Amino acid sequence: GAGVSQSPRYKVAKRGQDVALRCDPISGHVSLFWYQQALGQGPEFLTYFQNEAQLDKSGLPSDRFFAERPEGSVSTLKIQRTQQEDSAVYLCASSLAGRKQFFGPGTRLTVL
Amino acid sequence: DQQVKQNSPSLSVQEGRISILNCDYTNSMFDYFLWYKKYPAEGPTFLISISSIKDKNEDGRFTVFLNKSAKHLSLHIVPSQPGDSAVYFCAGYFLEGTNAGKSTFGDGTTLTVKP
Repeated sequence: GAGVSQSPRYKVAKRGQDVALRCDPISGHVSLFWYQQALGQGPEFLTYFQNEAQLDKSGLPSDRFFAERPEGSVSTLKIQRTQQEDSAVYLCASSLAGRKQFFGPGTRLTVL
Repeated sequence: DQQVKQNSPSLSVQEGRISILNCDYTNSMFDYFLWYKKYPAEGPTFLISISSIKDKNEDGRFTVFLNKSAKHLSLHIVPSQPGDSAVYFCAGYFLEGTNAGKSTFGDGTTLTVKP
């Protein structure tokens, strides 16, 4: 595709609901990153895949957060039992070589 | 501990003048520094990067300067154009080691270029 796409663009969840956020990276990009961006702050690293292997998940804030990329392309970030503090924009980025990352438009999650 | 800091939340300049955006970091192990630009409702877009072993990198109107002794970098935009109005993020990137692949971002500076 032309760029990184994310769906849904907006998600409203009731506290306690599970949500799944999807990322379609640029075709052929080996690396995929998830970030969480709170209002007025920069993106914060959550996790990183190289192909289907999750190389680093140190940024996931709790065990309610889970990410997968089973076939090395599309990735899903799942948040179980959502809390209000999970409200943020979730950004996905992909990369061919690592440091230059191409970001999607993000999913804005609001937990009521 | 915020490893990358952008201490100016906003900057306003006149069209045609120079814009200077600043960034400080605490972690000497970053291998690269990158600048991203972000428009509302879009994801950040890569602008320019610099290796930690360099002190300057230039790409058209954009130049990044790195002062390792001061742990400081700056992005210069000359001449500034109204279309440059956006939020600019500075990020440190680890190429190797246990943090390989990670980027650490500052909180951004909102640049407004007035016509």
